[in-house]
Amino acid sequence: KQEVTQIPAALSVPEGENLVLNCSFTDSAIYNLQWFRQDPGKGLTSLLLIQSSQREQTSGRLNASLDKSSGRSTLYIAASQPGDSATYLCAVRVPGNQFYFGTGTSLTVIP
Amino acid sequence: GAGVSQSPSNKVTEKGKDVELRCDPISGHTALYWYRQSLGQGLEFLIYFQGNSAPDKSGLPSDRFSAERTGGSVSTLTIQRTQQEDSAVYLCASSSLAGLYNEQFFGPGTRLTVL
Repeated sequence: KQEVTQIPAALSVPEGENLVLNCSFTDSAIYNLQWFRQDPGKGLTSLLLIQSSQREQTSGRLNASLDKSSGRSTLYIAASQPGDSATYLCAVRVPGNQFYFGTGTSLTVIP
Repeated sequence: GAGVSQSPSNKVTEKGKDVELRCDPISGHTALYWYRQSLGQGLEFLIYFQGNSAPDKSGLPSDRFSAERTGGSVSTLTIQRTQQEDSAVYLCASSSLAGLYNEQFFGPGTRLTVL
């Protein structure tokens, strides 16, 4: 069974810093990997989706990479802002169309 | 609609009662997923609908849980004889196709509290 792990569980950084969030998965047989953010009391907002054949995707200050063979993905956030404070979740889509989610990284950006 | 909607946003019930949670997916999305998010836990897959195909119920934790999707659109998740461990946020997501590369779009969730 696929297991998705996110490290660290929590991260606190001063405003303006660049940071990296990590996601690892145990089975490389995935269709894609998606990064989400979740604000308190809210649903999930999709940030980036990387196909299994891709190595990275970029959107604004966000860059996500995927190394399928090693079972790893990173989400890079440049020039962090207080508005980036949220929980970040990664999820992999596997054969059978199920998604497996990590437990998330809680990010706090200090003004 | 503009996005996935869920109702109610909050539900408090007594142990042993039945509850129904509703999800309205994005118009035209053929795939619909239900997840459960318990405090401090990741998202737990519950059930998946794709078009008119039989749903994938492999994630339902017990036979007290059931879901249906009427007309390929609105879905209802029913929990019978609720238990305290059912307390969680229930999230619904939809996707335009059950193809390999399509994104999931999530609703705001229903927070269920079983007293």
